[in-house]
Amino acid sequence: NAGVMQNPRHLVRRRGQEARLRCSPMKGHSHVYWYRQLPEEGLKFMVYLQKENIIDESGMPKERFSAEFPKEGPSILRIQQVVRGDSAAYFCASSPGTFRETQYFGPGTRLLVL
Amino acid sequence: SQQGEEDPQALSIQEGENATMNCSYKTSINNLQWYRQNSGRGLVHLILIRSNEREKHSGRLRVTLDTSKKSSSLLITASRAADTASYFCAIANGTSYGKLTFGQGTILTVHP
Repeated sequence: NAGVMQNPRHLVRRRGQEARLRCSPMKGHSHVYWYRQLPEEGLKFMVYLQKENIIDESGMPKERFSAEFPKEGPSILRIQQVVRGDSAAYFCASSPGTFRETQYFGPGTRLLVL
Repeated sequence: SQQGEEDPQALSIQEGENATMNCSYKTSINNLQWYRQNSGRGLVHLILIRSNEREKHSGRLRVTLDTSKKSSSLLITASRAADTASYFCAIANGTSYGKLTFGQGTILTVHP
């Protein structure tokens, strides 16, 4: 059973460009979470999605950030018009049917904005 | 803030010694989870302990939870150099639907 997959593992963007981060949950998992980790810090929750639904986006910046988890395909975290402060590691996690279960994390995407 | 806070921030020990890390939080919880992160890598889940549990074991790991003190501890016995990593506690609040709130982590260094 493959784990949570994220791609790309490393992404370099110039200021003003768009960044698209992809996450494929573990097989059988229908809950996806996105977290951001700044250097030397813990992870900060961004958004929680189920298929075709955003359940909790309380950690998402109000502008430029969006997330989706379509019926088919991976979950996408999209950052428009990136700024240097967006440089961080972005982790995706998934869990099976209920949100009270263990979250399994992917290897992360390290975004560097030049 | 309901953020879990780990203590100590950094811990340096010799192989074979035990390592104890503590986590405190401020709100009621549904469960508390411990994760390990090796430098530059993703998070590996270690143990989940529910609010109605007091202690759990997994191999060389022992986790305790004291809801009256709003604290948890992670004990690694007979540590190995390979245990060198950052350790995070994460709390799941019963009303926050899947959101895990992470602490800043404890950096553990085990010297051979």
